[in-house]
Amino acid sequence: KQEVTQIPAALSVPEGENLVLNCSFTDSAIYNLQWFRQDPGKGLTSLLLIQSSQREQTSGRLNASLDKSSGRSTLYIAASQPGDSATYLCAVNKGSGSARQLTFGSGTQLTVLP
Amino acid sequence: KAGVTQTPRYLIKTRGQQVTLSCSPISGHRSVSWYQQTPGQGLQFLFEYFSETQRNKGNFPGRFSGRQFSNSRSEMNVSTLELGDSALYLCASSFLTDTEAFFGQGTRLTVV
Repeated sequence: KQEVTQIPAALSVPEGENLVLNCSFTDSAIYNLQWFRQDPGKGLTSLLLIQSSQREQTSGRLNASLDKSSGRSTLYIAASQPGDSATYLCAVNKGSGSARQLTFGSGTQLTVLP
Repeated sequence: KAGVTQTPRYLIKTRGQQVTLSCSPISGHRSVSWYQQTPGQGLQFLFEYFSETQRNKGNFPGRFSGRQFSNSRSEMNVSTLELGDSALYLCASSFLTDTEAFFGQGTRLTVV
């Protein structure tokens, strides 16, 4: 059974800092890994998708890496801003056969202080 | 282009009743998945539909069911509601199995 762990559970940083969020998973046979952010009471916003054959993806101030063999991914946020405050979730996509199923970590709650 | 649309946004139901939630995926997307989010259990997979066929199902009781129509719109039904079914129900759509998943804003279900 796939298990996804995110560390830390909560993080508070001053504005402008660079930070790293961690995600680990137990089964390396995945299609891809996706990072999301969730604002309170809202749905999930997709940030980055990394296919299993890729090592890295970048979008603006965000950079995500994937090491499938060790079951790890990191999300790097550069020059953090108060608007980055949210819960960040990683999810690995692995179903049975051709079906898809996202397994989520419990998230990292990020607070960026002005 | 329009995103994933879930209706209604909020629902209050009484124990024992049943409820139907709706999800309209992004145009052209044929895969629709449903997830339950609670403070205690986090996000848990319910089921996935592709071209009107359920391809995968999570570990939930038979009270939870769903279906997908020919236009890819999906509905989720929960019968005999329990207090523990109170949660945010999220729908995700994607074009194929290994492409990016896009989520709707969710339906907040409260069972009293």
